[in-house]
Amino acid sequence: GESVGLHLPTLSVQEGDNSIINCAYSNSASDYFIWYKQESGKGPQFIIDIRSNMDKRQGQRVTVLLNKTVKHLSLQIAATQPGDSAVYFCAENIQGAQKLVFGQGTRLTINP
Amino acid sequence: NAGVMQNPRHLVRRRGQEARLRCSPMKGHSHVYWYRQLPEEGLKFMVYLQKENIIDESGMPKERFSAEFPKEGPSILRIQQVVRGDSAAYFCASSPGGIRSYEQYFGPGTRLTVT
Repeated sequence: GESVGLHLPTLSVQEGDNSIINCAYSNSASDYFIWYKQESGKGPQFIIDIRSNMDKRQGQRVTVLLNKTVKHLSLQIAATQPGDSAVYFCAENIQGAQKLVFGQGTRLTINP
Repeated sequence: NAGVMQNPRHLVRRRGQEARLRCSPMKGHSHVYWYRQLPEEGLKFMVYLQKENIIDESGMPKERFSAEFPKEGPSILRIQQVVRGDSAAYFCASSPGGIRSYEQYFGPGTRLTVT
């Protein structure tokens, strides 16, 4: 289940289950949305992106859904593995600004 | 490995000293971005540079912080007279720029600790 801790929201899932990580964004002028994975002590690693004129994009084991009506983005990870344990951030690229605005992040933990 | 390189990976400075953080972008990338991350928080944009130009420094504190990206050599983020509140992880990203400016690839970061 999902819970909000002192800092980062945490999502705990059983190994092999699907994970859904959610993100709300704020700027209607954002033209690209990106999901990053950050493991402890490392820099953010690009997972998948989606253009604002799309509502779904699939990668290897990951799917990103975009709902512009409610300004909501989600990342679905199929068959979650221990190596998926990390903090996941959504980021929006504001058109013309050429900088990324990051969301708060969600810590994904995998139960064996 | 032609990824974004940052050094040092860890930097300890006493209050009042200067910190210099270096970033070499990916091969072929001429756009560099610096972000700061506090523990348990997302990354916050600081500055966007191209070779010899600062394009957007809207996220930089007005005092003590400066950045450059010279024609030759790495991009440098410089923090003068560091204070404890400067302790954070500083990440550099690079992109091809233009319509692909959103494709930002991050380095491993420099973790600055101010004692």
